Parts: sequence; structure tokens; C-alpha cells
Amino acid sequence: AQSVAQPEDQVNVAEGNPLTVKCTYSVSGNPYLFWYVQYPNRGLQFLLKYITGDNLVKGSYGFEAEFNKSQTSFHLKKPSALVSDSALYFCAVRDWGYGQNFVFGPGTRLSVLP
Amino acid sequence: DGGITQSPKYLFRKEGQNVTLSCEQNLNHDAMYWYRQDPGQGLRLIYYSQIVNDFQKGDIAEGYSVSREKKESFPLTVTSAQKNPTAFYLCASSSASGVVETQYFGPGTRLLVL
Repeated sequence: AQSVAQPEDQVNVAEGNPLTVKCTYSVSGNPYLFWYVQYPNRGLQFLLKYITGDNLVKGSYGFEAEFNKSQTSFHLKKPSALVSDSALYFCAVRDWGYGQNFVFGPGTRLSVLP
Repeated sequence: DGGITQSPKYLFRKEGQNVTLSCEQNLNHDAMYWYRQDPGQGLRLIYYSQIVNDFQKGDIAEGYSVSREKKESFPLTVTSAQKNPTAFYLCASSSASGVVETQYFGPGTRLLVL
């Protein structure tokens, strides 16, 4: 079975500092990995995805994520955090060997402090 | 939130009552999905549909029903059999059921029990 873990419920970072939101996964086949962001009382917005190719994936709003197969991780990063980045972030995985649906992590709440 | 609309934004259910949540998309997507979001639990899949007139149960289908009579519409009914319906409900769609296709989300409906 496929699963996703986001080990931190909450991440706090000062504005202008780099941020990292962690994600680890478990799949039986090739992983296809996604990051989404959710603002209060809104739907999820797609940020980026890893299918194949370069391990560093660039996405929307200056976010990027690094795929690490040996550590089964897909951490979300941004070089300089903004207060407006404060939101709930979800990592998700699809496993071709398992099925065609997403499995979402529990979410990490990011707070960027001015 | 793209071309996916959900209505109403808030919905109140009385005990023993069935209620229907609307989801419409104008993205010409084949696949549509319903998720339930509870605090700290991420998103859980209720039902999904890959083509018109066909749908499959997800992880937590008990107490819910769906229909897919038109490509652009995928309504979800929360029946009286669902004993704990209070949650945020998210509809999503993707252009195909292929594993690399990104899911795009609507703005959500918050269901509350009176």
C-alpha cells in the first residue's frame, strides 16, 4: 500500500528565511509526487509535481521540491519565505502499481512570522 | 480554484436528512473525485468517476452516494446513514485517469449538523 507522512504538524519560519516542509512516502512501484497548498476555507491549489527526470522540481510562487529516492523523500522548499506563504501544505503520492488515486499526507501548517 | 465550482459554500443538515452537494466543472475533464477533509487527517477519498455513468467507491464511501449523468457534473449525496457528516468536502477533477494527471480542486463545501 502507498502512504505519505508529513512529520511536522507545524512549521514556523521568519519572513525572508528559507523554509522547508518535509514529506516522506512509501510506494510499491514508481512514485509520482505532488505538493498542494490550502488557504483557509478554500480548495487545494496545485504547486508542483515530480514524475521523472531532474530531482529538483520548480513550481508556482517560487516553491521547489527535491526528490530523493534513497531517502524516499520529497521536501518542499523556498529560498525566502513570505508572510503570504502561511497556509496548510499537503504532499500527495500516486503509485502506478497500486492504483490511479492519490494518497494525501495529513498536512503541515506553515506560519511565516513578520 | 480553476473551472470547478461547488455549491453551496455552507450546508446545514438536520438529523435524518439527506443533503446533496453540487460539483460542476467546465474544464472538459473526464475524471472527477470527492474527498472529505477533517482536521489533522488530510484528505480521504469518498468516490471517484473516470467516465460518465461510471463511478467507484473510495476509502470512506459508506453513508454517501454519487451519480455521474453528465461529464461536467458529479453531485454527492450525504445520506442519513452517515452518522458523522460534519466536515469540509472537496471536489476535484483531472483530464484523464492516468497516473501523471494533476487533480484540480473546487473551493469546497462545509457541512454542519444542526
